[in-house]
Amino acid sequence: DAGVIQSPRHEVTEMGQEVTLRCKPISGHNSLFWYRQTMMRGLELLIYFNNNVPIDDSGMPEDRFSAKMPNASFSTLKIQPSEPRDSAVYFCASGIRGLIGNTIYFGEGSWLTVV
Amino acid sequence: DQQVKQNSPSLSVQEGRISILNCDYTNSMFDYFLWYKKYPAEGPTFLISISSIKDKNEDGRFTVFLNKSAKHLSLHIVPSQPGDSAVYFCAASGQAGNMLTFGGGTRLMVKP
Repeated sequence: DAGVIQSPRHEVTEMGQEVTLRCKPISGHNSLFWYRQTMMRGLELLIYFNNNVPIDDSGMPEDRFSAKMPNASFSTLKIQPSEPRDSAVYFCASGIRGLIGNTIYFGEGSWLTVV
Repeated sequence: DQQVKQNSPSLSVQEGRISILNCDYTNSMFDYFLWYKKYPAEGPTFLISISSIKDKNEDGRFTVFLNKSAKHLSLHIVPSQPGDSAVYFCAASGQAGNMLTFGGGTRLMVKP
């Protein structure tokens, strides 16, 4: 069974450009999460979806960030325009929402560098 | 406000000895706790979890202890192996949801 698949694995882009990160969650999972990891802030939740609906986007840092989940098997995180301080590793994770908190499974991450 | 804290950024242990990683939380609504392990250039991988109805969960060399009154959990690795060298994150969730709040991580180095 394939895990969470993210693309691109690495991206280097110039300041001001649009960046789109993609995620395919594990089949059958109904929750999807976008996390960002930086040295200063560790792993921080940006947004999460249940059944393709955004539930909490309070972690999205600015209006430059947006996320969509058009169907159960695909999600995007977009940064427009990108800035050097957006450089980080972006992780997508998926899980199954249940009666008790469940495990979520992470992708390999998308390493973004904005120069 | 950090709801989940790992106060030790790093820990060094000799191979074969016990590694103890600690985690504290402040939100009394958390009812499910997890440990993840992360190697460089990889995503975090799930290691072990515990619900608030238990105080101990064991899986091979890994045991997680939960002290609800102290709002403290710990991960014990016995015996420690060089391959255990990684960053360990504790995480918590609550209210029947699976949104996880992570601690800042502890880098474990197991020396041969």
